[in-house]
Amino acid sequence: SQTIHQWPATLVQPVGSPLSLECTVEGTSNPNLYWYRQAAGRGLQLLFYSVGIGQISSEVPQNLSASRPQDRQFILSSKKLLLSDSGFYLCAWSVTPGTEAFFGQGTRLTVV
Amino acid sequence: GENVEQHPSTLSVQEGDSAVIKCTYSDSASNYFPWYKQELGKRPQLIIDIRSNVGEKKDQRIAVTLNKTAKHFSLHITETQPEDSAVYFCAASNGEYGNKLVFGAGTILRVKS
Repeated sequence: SQTIHQWPATLVQPVGSPLSLECTVEGTSNPNLYWYRQAAGRGLQLLFYSVGIGQISSEVPQNLSASRPQDRQFILSSKKLLLSDSGFYLCAWSVTPGTEAFFGQGTRLTVV
Repeated sequence: GENVEQHPSTLSVQEGDSAVIKCTYSDSASNYFPWYKQELGKRPQLIIDIRSNVGEKKDQRIAVTLNKTAKHFSLHITETQPEDSAVYFCAASNGEYGNKLVFGAGTILRVKS
């Protein structure tokens, strides 16, 4: 069966520090991969999505970036975190267009 | 690109009553409309979905309706229970663009017992 792993579960980082969140999917090939951010009490904002290795689409201009070095690995990064980067970050995957998206457990990032 | 609007932002109902959450979308090419439930501190999980070739779908106490002409879809929960309390998100997707799932802002549902 397919599973999605996202880590770490919680992270406290100082302003200006770098960020790297990793997400991996097991049990499937060539998944569509997504990074969402959820600010406290708010909806799910799509940050990046990828339909294949090295193919990244950015939805919102910001100081975050994403990379997909392997088929089932999706990484969210920042060179210098801002206070406004705090939130709940969710990785998700889907098999094909128009099918259910499965979410990772999420990473609660607090920038201090 | 696609824009999904969701109403209301919060909804309180008495246990046993029905709850209705409505969403509108902007991209007429969208063809997949899932609903997710997110309990506090947990990941969103799919509860029901509907495709553009269907007008209504039911699963026990949950139903979703779709009006493609008006570009809106709704979630109906009947006989609500305290465990239905959560945040509910609607979403829309157009498969031609790699299944970019765009979510509504969410509805906080509180079921009072």
